[in-house]
Amino acid sequence: GAGVSQSPSNKVTEKGKDVELRCDPISGHTALYWYRQSLGQGLEFLIYFQGNSAPDKSGLPSDRFSAERTGGSVSTLTIQRTQQEDSAVYLCASSLAQGWGQYFGPGTRLTVT
Amino acid sequence: KNEVEQSPQNLTAQEGEFITINCSYSVGISALHWLQQHPGGGIVSLFMLSSGKKKHGRLIATINIQEKHSSLHITASHPRDSAVYICAVGANTGNQFYFGTGTSLTVIP
Repeated sequence: GAGVSQSPSNKVTEKGKDVELRCDPISGHTALYWYRQSLGQGLEFLIYFQGNSAPDKSGLPSDRFSAERTGGSVSTLTIQRTQQEDSAVYLCASSLAQGWGQYFGPGTRLTVT
Repeated sequence: KNEVEQSPQNLTAQEGEFITINCSYSVGISALHWLQQHPGGGIVSLFMLSSGKKKHGRLIATINIQEKHSSLHITASHPRDSAVYICAVGANTGNQFYFGTGTSLTVIP
């Protein structure tokens, strides 16, 4: 079956512009996670959705970052007024529920110039 | 302060060698994950475990909850095992995940 998909695969934007990154989780997976991996650094947790519960936003680095998940399926991560330090690979993962194994998408490589 | 520590950071092995990667953590966890990241960047979840031991092919993962330690073993290593292996833990309070910095493995033919 189809895995987790993300779009776009690559995004180059100018500093100060807003960007939207999309994640399509595996059908039926109630849990969805966003992470990012900055150059030379490890993975960093950003935000977690579980079903219809309020998301855990504890990993978002600033109020320029927000995410939503519509209808318990597709999720969009929005970065407003992008900065160069936002350049990273943004990864989405989904799982059947919290505590189950996560399936990762291919990531979106964001470059802020 | 790193909640998850991995060792070694880099590892080079000859094909066929037995490989061990270690992970220690300092938080209470609901589960521990071993992830594999290939040079192209894709990430694959290898194991999720909260106790004992799991085996998949040539890969074995163990966890000792009391000692807050996990190991990933690769038997009869092969060049295609060359990748970065990442240990991650899901905290048992809240929904935070903590990641190790990864172990870069190179298996030489």
